[in-house]
Amino acid sequence: DAGVIQSPRHEVTEMGQEVTLRCKPISGHNSLFWYRQTMMRGLELLIYFNNNVPIDDSGMPEDRFSAKMPNASFSTLKIQPSEPRDSAVYFCASSLGDRVPGANVLTFGAGSRLTVL
Amino acid sequence: SQQGEEDPQALSIQEGENATMNCSYKTSINNLQWYRQNSGRGLVHLILIRSNEREKHSGRLRVTLDTSKKSSSLLITASRAADTASYFCATDPNAGGTSYGKLTFGQGTILTVHP
Repeated sequence: DAGVIQSPRHEVTEMGQEVTLRCKPISGHNSLFWYRQTMMRGLELLIYFNNNVPIDDSGMPEDRFSAKMPNASFSTLKIQPSEPRDSAVYFCASSLGDRVPGANVLTFGAGSRLTVL
Repeated sequence: SQQGEEDPQALSIQEGENATMNCSYKTSINNLQWYRQNSGRGLVHLILIRSNEREKHSGRLRVTLDTSKKSSSLLITASRAADTASYFCATDPNAGGTSYGKLTFGQGTILTVHP
């Protein structure tokens, strides 16, 4: 397996533009997580899915952020409109989810570095 | 806010020395995990210790867990320059119901190993 695949690796955009980040989890993993990493706030969980269903989106900063998982092999995180404070590295991770209760290990993608000017 | 807090924030040692990093957390847990992040890369899982375990080894890694003190430590023995990275503890909270692997990460310890 090629691991968790994220795209794009780098994105530079201007304030107000729409940004879409993409993630392909490991085949067979039931849970998918979106994290954001900044120097100031560290790693923050934004949202996670189990069996393609959003379980907890309490970490999504505001309505400008949305995430979807239309099938088991694809998820998107969208920011519209983007703001400079959204600049961060966004990580997608997947795990076996409820198939391994109490011992879930996350496999992370390489991340998408977003810069909003 | 972060569940886990690592100590120290940064650690600088010479190759061959041991490195010890500590993690404290606040709520009850199913397990505690340690991850490593090289600069510009994603996090990589190192080791998982369950709440009913006290110590675990994997190669040059030794992890301890004290649930009464809500703390854990990661020891890297005989460190190498290639161990230079950020190390994060992550807790899988025991909040009832099914755990899907929703981990809360600490701020991390930056380890620098000088050749």
